[in-house]
Amino acid sequence: DSGVTQTPKHLITATGQRVTLRCSPRSGDLSVYWYQQSLDQGLQFLIQYYNGEERAKGNILERFSAQQFPDLHSELNLSSLELGDSALYFCASRGHGGTGELFFGEGSRLTVL
Amino acid sequence: ELKVEQNPLFLSMQEGKNYTIYCNYSTTSDRLYWYRQDPGKSLESLFVLLSNGAVKQEGRLMASLDTKARLSTLHITAAVHDLSATYFCAVLSMDSNYQLIWGAGTKLIIKP
Repeated sequence: DSGVTQTPKHLITATGQRVTLRCSPRSGDLSVYWYQQSLDQGLQFLIQYYNGEERAKGNILERFSAQQFPDLHSELNLSSLELGDSALYFCASRGHGGTGELFFGEGSRLTVL
Repeated sequence: ELKVEQNPLFLSMQEGKNYTIYCNYSTTSDRLYWYRQDPGKSLESLFVLLSNGAVKQEGRLMASLDTKARLSTLHITAAVHDLSATYFCAVLSMDSNYQLIWGAGTKLIIKP
């Protein structure tokens, strides 16, 4: 158990809909990262937050947005969903200082029909 | 811009054999990470390599880092079926807000 919690674990929805994925980082970790992994693909970095502020942006679509709240949990919002958005969405957290290692949650599997 | 290349991307091998996965990167970094991912599961941290010449071993897996050559290797000794997984390396980018830059992953299948 990495200590990073993601909900929901599975989500099935229709094209055009909107969903919210939630992540709670490890206790004390200030950084949260979101990644997308399509079937049998590598990891695509979406966005990073540090202590409530956006720190870095990757290949995140305009239809996607995220935020980190004062209690450090984060939410990834996906709107106007398309079939191609079906993927595993991972959240990871990183401690302040230390080795720079990322700790991953179990992921949220999104299926868009 | 830091780029990370893993090879091979796919490897099918017999139990009992030895093999090596390579992770090359394009610009200076002194931190490299290896992760394992089982199908449909999360990524599990295997090794954190923090300096030139670092070597870490866990069971049948051994990872090393040569920062001068910008190369890390993940060596598998006497492979067993349970090691079948996808292995990712990630390199800390010193000039990109300390992001981890990921390799494409090596899918390893070990046949009995």
